[in-house]
Amino acid sequence: GDSVTQMEGPVTLSEEAFLTINCTYTATGYPSLFWYVQYPGEGLQLLLKATKADDKGSNKGFEATYRKETTSFHLEKGSVQVSDSAVYFCRYFNQGGKLIFGQGTELSVKP
Amino acid sequence: EADIYQTPRYLVIGTGKKITLECSQTMGHDKMYWYQQDPGMELHLIHYSYGVNSTEKGDLSSESTVSRIRTEHFPLTLESARPSHTSQYLCASSHLSGYEQYFGPGTRLTVT
Repeated sequence: GDSVTQMEGPVTLSEEAFLTINCTYTATGYPSLFWYVQYPGEGLQLLLKATKADDKGSNKGFEATYRKETTSFHLEKGSVQVSDSAVYFCRYFNQGGKLIFGQGTELSVKP
Repeated sequence: EADIYQTPRYLVIGTGKKITLECSQTMGHDKMYWYQQDPGMELHLIHYSYGVNSTEKGDLSSESTVSRIRTEHFPLTLESARPSHTSQYLCASSHLSGYEQYFGPGTRLTVT
């Protein structure tokens, strides 16, 4: 069946380090893929999205490329800041209306 | 900025009490959701609604109930709170397709 798998956290990085949070999926059909972010004490916010293969979503210095050949949508940022500390969720949505969240990856950035 | 609101933000209540968590949205969205978020951060869908007078159970069984009398309002009720109900509850809304969801800030419930 359809599923989304994220790398386990917590991920702890120093400020200005390079970030990768892995997300892979299994799908029937051609889903849209999203990254949501949850800052401490808040709800989830849409960070970026991609609707078809090879699309790149980007926002606030974060990027993710929809790779159909590896069924992945890894989140990357070149230089993280303390303010990026949050929980990040990969999300899958297909044409049938099925939506699935990954289990979330906590990121902690130290000064 | 998404216009979806939840009250209260924090609630500490004793066992056996009846509670209602409020959720409202001003975006005219047909579909609304309730998620329970465990300490490990994972989201579990407990209820959703396609519109007025529609309520469905989600993937995770819950003792809570919901109602949808108005499009903008989707309250969640626990008739008799227990310590096992202690959790973060997130409300969300979307257009009927569910393509993009908007989340409220959450209610952190503690049952003592």
